[in-house]
Amino acid sequence: QKEVEQNSGPLSVPEGAIASLNCTYSDRVSQSFFWYRQYSGKSPELIMSIYSNGDKEDGRFTAQLNKASQYVSLLIRDSQPSDSATYLCAVNEDKLIFGAGTRLAVHP
Amino acid sequence: EPEVTQTPSHQVTQMGQEVILRCVPISNHLYFYWYRQILGQKVEFLVSFYNNEISEKSEIFDDQFSVERPDGSNFTLKIRSTKLEDSAMYFCASSVAGSGINYGYTFGSGTRLTVV
Repeated sequence: QKEVEQNSGPLSVPEGAIASLNCTYSDRVSQSFFWYRQYSGKSPELIMSIYSNGDKEDGRFTAQLNKASQYVSLLIRDSQPSDSATYLCAVNEDKLIFGAGTRLAVHP
Repeated sequence: EPEVTQTPSHQVTQMGQEVILRCVPISNHLYFYWYRQILGQKVEFLVSFYNNEISEKSEIFDDQFSVERPDGSNFTLKIRSTKLEDSAMYFCASSVAGSGINYGYTFGSGTRLTVV
């Protein structure tokens, strides 16, 4: 059974700080990874995808992938209260396998 | 920006009744998916669909479930005889490529199914 593990949180950070969200996955041959944001009662919204080892930056978001450690992370710089949501890590296996999500709370 | 459209947004049904959840994927997408999220739990894969047939289904997708693409635009999920435990948010998603590489998967806004 392929698994994606995330700390459920909540992760609480002050406004303007860096939020760091982590994810591990069980299948060593997984190739592509996604971070989705989900507000309460809403659908998952794609933030970033990453396929290669290293960092990928998009605005305030940076995804990091380490295939040797089977580890994916998402950094959110200059966190805003509007970033408060659940962040879902997903591994692509010709469909998405999601982690349970980490709830992020950004307080003013 | 292209969207995946789902109807209805909320459906209440009695246990044992049949329900059909509808989705209109993005027009140039070829791969279609249904996911389920029980309140407070993770998003779970149900089924994938390509070229008018099921590509893969999960253990959740038993004989009570079926999918269909009745015309060139709609993609439906039918639950034949609903149970209380079918109460969940159902998301439709679509992708240009089956692996989702370079394009990701776009999710609809979901249908909240409540079985009473």
